[in-house]
Amino acid sequence: AQSVTQLDSHVSVSEGTPVLLRCNYSSSYSPSLFWYVQHPNKGLQLLLKYTSAATLVKGINGFEAEFKKSETSFHLTKPSAHMSDAAEYFCVVSDLGSGNTGKLIFGQGTTLQVKP
Amino acid sequence: KAGVTQTPRYLIKTRGQQVTLSCSPISGHRSVSWYQQTPGQGLQFLFEYFSETQRNKGNFPGRFSGRQFSNSRSEMNVSTLELGDSALYLCASSLYGQGAGVNTEAFFGQGTRLTVV
Repeated sequence: AQSVTQLDSHVSVSEGTPVLLRCNYSSSYSPSLFWYVQHPNKGLQLLLKYTSAATLVKGINGFEAEFKKSETSFHLTKPSAHMSDAAEYFCVVSDLGSGNTGKLIFGQGTTLQVKP
Repeated sequence: KAGVTQTPRYLIKTRGQQVTLSCSPISGHRSVSWYQQTPGQGLQFLFEYFSETQRNKGNFPGRFSGRQFSNSRSEMNVSTLELGDSALYLCASSLYGQGAGVNTEAFFGQGTRLTVV
């Protein structure tokens, strides 16, 4: 069965410094992985996705993630944090074990705090 | 292109009542999935509908049900509400859903905040 583990429930950075949000996955299949962001009282917005093409994935708003099969990781990074990046971030894997479905499996989320 | 629309945005219901939530997906999308988000359990999959058929279901009691219409709009119903059903209910729309060889992006609505008192 697929699963994701977000290694930090809360990350705090200063504006202008790098961001690293960590995610490990478990999958019996070649996984499809996503990062979503949720701002307060908003829905989820897709930041980026990995679907077995390039291992370094570029997303919106300057975010990137690198798929590392040997480490079963899919960490999210950004070179320089902005105040507007403060939000909750979810690492997500498609549940490929059930055929074609709409099921996404979410990590528990990481709250990113950006200090001025 | 209009996004995913969920109505209503907020609901307050009493224990024992039932509630119906609505989701209008992006035009042309055939897959609609529902998720429950709570502080304790995080985001959990409820079910997915594709072309009016339920394709997958999560581990929720039978009080949670849904349906999809021919125009892909979906409704979710919760009967005999319990305090623990208080949550943000999110709907996700995608062309074909996710699965082996099929990984179309899921677009989420802003959710319906349900409070059971």
